[in-house]
Amino acid sequence: QVQLQESGPGLVKPSQTLSLTCTVSGGSISSGGYYWSWIRQHPGKGLEWIGYIYYSGSTYYNPSLKSRVTISVDTSKNQFSLKLSSVTAADTAVYYCAREGGIWGFDYWGQGTLVTVSS
Amino acid sequence: EIVLTQSPGTLSLSPGERATLSCRASQSVSSSYLAWYQQKPGQAPRLLIYGASSRATGIPDRFSGSGSGTDFTLTISRLEPEDFAVYYCQQYGSSSWTFGQGTKVEIK
Repeated sequence: QVQLQESGPGLVKPSQTLSLTCTVSGGSISSGGYYWSWIRQHPGKGLEWIGYIYYSGSTYYNPSLKSRVTISVDTSKNQFSLKLSSVTAADTAVYYCAREGGIWGFDYWGQGTLVTVSS
Repeated sequence: EIVLTQSPGTLSLSPGERATLSCRASQSVSSSYLAWYQQKPGQAPRLLIYGASSRATGIPDRFSGSGSGTDFTLTISRLEPEDFAVYYCQQYGSSSWTFGQGTKVEIK
């Protein structure tokens, strides 16, 4: 059973960089065939896809966030990470990591972590 | 970017009733890349349907998906108490994923 777990600071100051890590267990990122994504949900709102990384390191980002987002992978630790720069209060959200297999949809999700942007 | 519009915003029904949720895309979506999710308060979304009509592992057969092109539907044949939640459709196209804004199914 694949499991994903987000970790990182729950509070980030405005203008700083939000950094989160997703640790994958029960399956290897290196095995390929899946896209490893970050998705966020503003309080009481819908879901917004942030971007994905493939095990090879190839990435694709939501155009609306592209200038501030970096997603990286560490296959030796079976982890992938999110960095979102120049954050504002509008970036306050629950951040999820998830696995996506093309036509299979987002089949495994982390439990989510709330990140609040505040001074 | 393909925009997904879900309707209605809220559906008020009683247990045992049938729920029909709509997802309309701003341009044609490949059926292979249309999915539905259920989200309960404080939980991550759960995959229900992928490929527009295939149930994910462990999903009861009262959940069914249909549609093609720009119009897709999630049907819950007989609502169980645990089905009251928010439902999202999601599509993949042009290397980008987008979600609908959600339909809340609440107890009448």
